[in-house]
Amino acid sequence: EVQLLESGGGLVQPGGSLRLSCTASGFSFSSYAMSWVRQAPGRGLEWVSLISGSGGRADYADSVKGRFTISRDNSKNTVYLQMNSLRGEDTAVYYCAKAQNLIMVYAPFDSWGQGTRVSVSS
Amino acid sequence: DIQMTQSPSSLSASVGDRVTITCQASRHIGNHLNWYQQKPGKAPELLIYDVSNLETGVPSRFTAGGSGTDFSFTISSLQPEDLATYFCQQYDEFPFTFGPGTTVDIK
Repeated sequence: EVQLLESGGGLVQPGGSLRLSCTASGFSFSSYAMSWVRQAPGRGLEWVSLISGSGGRADYADSVKGRFTISRDNSKNTVYLQMNSLRGEDTAVYYCAKAQNLIMVYAPFDSWGQGTRVSVSS
Repeated sequence: DIQMTQSPSSLSASVGDRVTITCQASRHIGNHLNWYQQKPGKAPELLIYDVSNLETGVPSRFTAGGSGTDFSFTISSLQPEDLATYFCQQYDEFPFTFGPGTTVDIK
């Protein structure tokens, strides 16, 4: 059974930093691209970032480009999201999500974690 | 970016009703269109991928279709457990984008 467990969320002041983690189990982690998707309170879903299985490719939403960095440690079955220069509009539940297809970057998200809440406020 | 729109934004229907949601992409996305269900307080779940393919374990009352820029999602016989928000999503190009969601309520 695929399991994704996010951690690292919390309350941070504007301009601050946080690092989110998502630890995976139940599948061959290094073979699948992973994404972060966020949901602001009462709002819809926004894709934030994706990293390929090898870690060689990363993509970002314009809203976070230059401030967030996605990375992964395949030896620890973990994907990270380093978030710097945080703003109020980054307040959201952050989900990690697994690509459905082996190796492919362009793929549906077939498994999601339970989410970790990030609040940016002074 | 590819913009995704959905209608209606919300609906209320009775158990057993047929419910249809539409999704439109701002440009052609081939078959790179998925549907997710998000129940209150829960993470989204993939229901249908590549326009019309039912994810494993998803009940057959959920169907979907369409092509190009216009897509639809149908619940053939609404059940109480279908109370949720439904999102379409394109993965034809980055950034992947979601529709704003359709909230389905049970009368």
